[in-house]
Amino acid sequence: GAGVSQSPSNKVTEKGKDVELRCDPISGHTALYWYRQRLGQGLEFLIYFQGNSAPDKSGLPSDRFSAERTGESVSTLTIQRTQQEDSAVYLCASSLAAEKRHEQYFGPGTRLTVT
Amino acid sequence: AQSVTQLGSHVSVSEGALVLLRCNYSSSVPPYLFWYVQYPNQGLQLLLKYTTGATLVKGINGFEAEFKKSETSFHLTKPSAHMSDAAEYFCAVSEYTGRRALTFGSGTRLQVQP
Repeated sequence: GAGVSQSPSNKVTEKGKDVELRCDPISGHTALYWYRQRLGQGLEFLIYFQGNSAPDKSGLPSDRFSAERTGESVSTLTIQRTQQEDSAVYLCASSLAAEKRHEQYFGPGTRLTVT
Repeated sequence: AQSVTQLGSHVSVSEGALVLLRCNYSSSVPPYLFWYVQYPNQGLQLLLKYTTGATLVKGINGFEAEFKKSETSFHLTKPSAHMSDAAEYFCAVSEYTGRRALTFGSGTRLQVQP
């Protein structure tokens, strides 16, 4: 079956511009996560959605970052007024339920470059 | 708070040699532990996981890892490396209470020499 998909695969933007990244989770997966992977580093948790519950935004690095999810489907991560330190690969993952968070399935990521 | 330390950002082995990738964790409650592999230009793939029960867990592609509570370790091993094992490997921890996301180590890039 289809896995987690993300678009675009690559995004180059100028400093100060806003960007929107998209994630399509596996159908039926109620939990969705966003992570950031900076060059040479591990993944950092950004935000997580579980069904209709309020999202856990504790990992968002600043108020320039926000994310939305429509029901239990598509999610978008928005970065406003991008900075060079925002350059990273942004990864999305989904799982059947938060209780099964260890079975997270990852998308291929969006590589963001801020010039 | 939980954390993961992976010793060695780069490991190089010869084809057929033992692979050992080290992972130590810190967690205030019993952890769930994972190894993920990331092949070039691909997404992360779950290699194996420890949740409860047997401390020696087997994963895909001949990899295994042993949870050692006394050493707070979860090292990844494979008896004989293949060229196709060249990738980046990430250790991760998740507490079964509290925060629901995974905390990852910084990764170890495995090179396999012919």
